[in-house]
Amino acid sequence: KAGVTQTPRYLIKTRGQQVTLSCSPISGHRSVSWYQQTPGQGLQFLFEYFSETQRNKGNFPGRFSGRQFSNSRSEMNVSTLELGDSALYLCASSLALGTLNTEAFFGQGTRLTVV
Amino acid sequence: AQKVTQAQTEISVVEKEDVTLDCVYETRDTTYYLFWYKQPPSGELVFLIRRNSFDEQNEISGRYSWNFQKSTSSFNFTITASQVVDSAVYFCALSEAGNSGGSNYKLTFGKGTLLTVNP
Repeated sequence: KAGVTQTPRYLIKTRGQQVTLSCSPISGHRSVSWYQQTPGQGLQFLFEYFSETQRNKGNFPGRFSGRQFSNSRSEMNVSTLELGDSALYLCASSLALGTLNTEAFFGQGTRLTVV
Repeated sequence: AQKVTQAQTEISVVEKEDVTLDCVYETRDTTYYLFWYKQPPSGELVFLIRRNSFDEQNEISGRYSWNFQKSTSSFNFTITASQVVDSAVYFCALSEAGNSGGSNYKLTFGKGTLLTVNP
């Protein structure tokens, strides 16, 4: 079965612009979470969605937002981009929120470069 | 607050050597899950293992084995007879059950260990 699909794979944006990243989870998976990976801070949790509702949020400014659609696909948006937002953004899907017996499967990520 | 420490930033070995990657975690929860992921250069995190806090049984899967010790809050990962294809960054991660009996699916990752296996 198809894995987690993230689009686009690479993106270059200018400071001040906004960007939208997309994530299609594994079929049947209802939980989608997002992570930011940078050389300095490592992998950091951004937020998690389940049934179109944000259930958890990490310590990121309000410029970072997301949503989930009825088909479980998710988007994350970053407004007013800063140079420090350059990172690999990873999306993970898991079978069900609250069922920690399931592992999270990750996509290949979107590498965002802000210039 | 939860924390995961991978003290080894980089490890370099020669093929066929055994190598152990260390992971130490901190959590106040009694119910939690520990994970190991592998990140090859392509960027995708590949799931390797999940262990819950009530199961301290060690696990072996082919050349991989994991040693979970609650007494020392450690969850170490050993690769036996390493191969060049094992070269990657390996992450240890922790997920707490949260207040709602499991509704907090959030992974806290360590900084990762870059393993290089030389031929």
